[in-house]
Amino acid sequence: KQEVTQIPAALSVPEGENLVLNCSFTDSAIYNLQWFRQDPGKGLTSLLLIQSSQREQTSGRLNASLDKSSGRSTLYIAASQPGDSATYLCASCYGQNFVFGPGTRLSVLP
Amino acid sequence: DTGVSQDPRHKITKRGQNVTFRCDPISEHNRLYWYRQTLGQGPEFLTYFQNEAQLEKSRLLSDRFSAERPKGSFSTLEIQRTEQGDSAMYLCASSLVVGQPVSSYEQYFGPGTRLTVT
Repeated sequence: KQEVTQIPAALSVPEGENLVLNCSFTDSAIYNLQWFRQDPGKGLTSLLLIQSSQREQTSGRLNASLDKSSGRSTLYIAASQPGDSATYLCASCYGQNFVFGPGTRLSVLP
Repeated sequence: DTGVSQDPRHKITKRGQNVTFRCDPISEHNRLYWYRQTLGQGPEFLTYFQNEAQLEKSRLLSDRFSAERPKGSFSTLEIQRTEQGDSAMYLCASSLVVGQPVSSYEQYFGPGTRLTVT
């Protein structure tokens, strides 16, 4: 069964800290892996997409890595800000099927 | 580019009633997806369309759920004889898939429709 897990479930950090969110997937035959942000009661906003042939992607203060062999992806957030507070979800794509993790709820304290 | 829109944003219905949700994807996008998300969980994939063709529907939760995309533009998701367990956020997403490899496309999500069944 294709499953995605995310650790930790929740994280609270002071403003300015660098942090890492983890995503693990059981089936390494992914097409791509996408990281999203979700604010309470809202839809998902795409942050980064890593194709299966890539190792990492960067956008501003965000850097996502992908290691297919170990079934892991990480999202690194540099110099965190209170506006980064949200739930972060990763999703593995298997062509016609997308499997989401349960998310990591991040709180950045001013 | 106005993004993916969904209507209504909130729906409260009584158990046993039918409900229909609408999704308008980004105009040039050829793929459209429906998901269900319950509190504290990630979205659960339900079905998707390539243009007007429904290519995957085995993950629809029961035969009370159906989806259409009649002209390859907007889509509707209908739930018949709603149950309290259907209460959730229903999300729509779209993407543009052109040629190969398909690994390059991104999904863009709408704001969701929150359904409450009383």
